[in-house]
Amino acid sequence: EAGVVQSPRYKIIEKKQPVAFWCNPISGHNTLYWYRQNLGQGPELLIRYENEEAVDDSQLPKDRFSAERLKGVDSTLKIQPAELGDSAVYLCASSPTGIGHEQYFGPGTRLTVT
Amino acid sequence: AQSVTQLGSHVSVSEGALVLLRCNYSSSVPPYLFWYVQYPNQGLQLLLKYTTGATLVKGINGFEAEFKKSETSFHLTKPSAHMSDAAEYFCAVSYQAGTALIFGKGTTLSVSS
Repeated sequence: EAGVVQSPRYKIIEKKQPVAFWCNPISGHNTLYWYRQNLGQGPELLIRYENEEAVDDSQLPKDRFSAERLKGVDSTLKIQPAELGDSAVYLCASSPTGIGHEQYFGPGTRLTVT
Repeated sequence: AQSVTQLGSHVSVSEGALVLLRCNYSSSVPPYLFWYVQYPNQGLQLLLKYTTGATLVKGINGFEAEFKKSETSFHLTKPSAHMSDAAEYFCAVSYQAGTALIFGKGTTLSVSS
């Protein structure tokens, strides 16, 4: 079974530029999460989807971050414009709805804003 | 607010020695508890989890953890460290199926020969 797929793996951009990250969850997993992991810290939730509905986006900086999950499968997280403080690893995870609690993580996208 | 505390940001052991990584949580309700491992430039991999039932949980790669409600702890242990165990370890909790995991800050495990 394929795991959670993310692309790109690495991205370097200049501040004020836009950037987008893509995630394909495990097949059949209805719940999708985006986390941000700052250097030396544990991941922190940005947004959670149940199918195509964003059910928890309280930690998403909505002035510059946006996300979508069209058709309830793939998801895209966008930052526009990027700031130096956005440098981090962006992790996507998925889990099957209503069954257990564990989440399966992708390899992440390491963003460097210069 | 619920939180997770991992005591010791860096733990160093010799190959073959006992590994003990500490995790405490703050919660008024029983949580669901997890340990994840992260190797360099990789995502998080689940080591083990506690949801209900037996409080001693066995995971992959010889790791185990014990849920102690009275101490609000979920420490991770392994009897004999291998060089391949060197990685970042994260303790996490959740309180409802499908909700976000709350992570500790992580503990870096170094293993020397």
